[in-house]
Amino acid sequence: AQTVTQSQPEMSVQEAETVTLSCTYDTSENNYYLFWYKQPPSRQMILVIRQEAYKQQNATENRFSVNFQKAAKSFSLKISDSQLGDTAMYFCAFMKQSSRGPGTYKYIFGTGTRLKVLA
Amino acid sequence: GAVVSQHPSRVICKSGTSVKIECRSLDFQATTMFWYRQFPKQSLMLMATSNEGSKATYEQGVEKDKFLINHASLTLSTLTVASAHPEDSSFYICSAGDSAFFGQGTRLTVV
Repeated sequence: AQTVTQSQPEMSVQEAETVTLSCTYDTSENNYYLFWYKQPPSRQMILVIRQEAYKQQNATENRFSVNFQKAAKSFSLKISDSQLGDTAMYFCAFMKQSSRGPGTYKYIFGTGTRLKVLA
Repeated sequence: GAVVSQHPSRVICKSGTSVKIECRSLDFQATTMFWYRQFPKQSLMLMATSNEGSKATYEQGVEKDKFLINHASLTLSTLTVASAHPEDSSFYICSAGDSAFFGQGTRLTVV
């Protein structure tokens, strides 16, 4: 069975600094997708970044980038120039096609990392 | 990005009554939607996968007779909490699309 592990329950970073959140996963699949989501106090889940496993190039979205190491099954998120608005819960997630057939898929979420950006 | 709308955002109901939560995909069609439950300071727990035109697929341990799911169209899935009890109080979130676009969530309180 697939699992997603986030080993850092809580982290803090000074405003304008860089922070890296770790995520590891376990799967025997070759084709899958990985995601980072942000959940601020409003509890709205917001997609931060997405990575296709078949792509070697690391995904980047403005201040957010990932370090995807497929062989090591590692998918860390780097936040550069941290801002107060980045304070939130961050979830790593794994998605693969479900055994129920084409067009069906399943997500597995990690336990989350609570990030606090300090002024 | 795609928009998923969930309604209501908050609901308080009396024990024994039923509550319906709607999840709509506003600018795309979703043959599959997901329903999650989230306890305070915890991750999302998948409850069921809602499939348009067919029965929902429930995760192990989720009572299908209590959490009734209907996915009658390509843009709407509903979750009905039947005969709600205080232990059903929680935050429920739906998602749709292959990048898991989420609704705003529903905070259910059963008194």
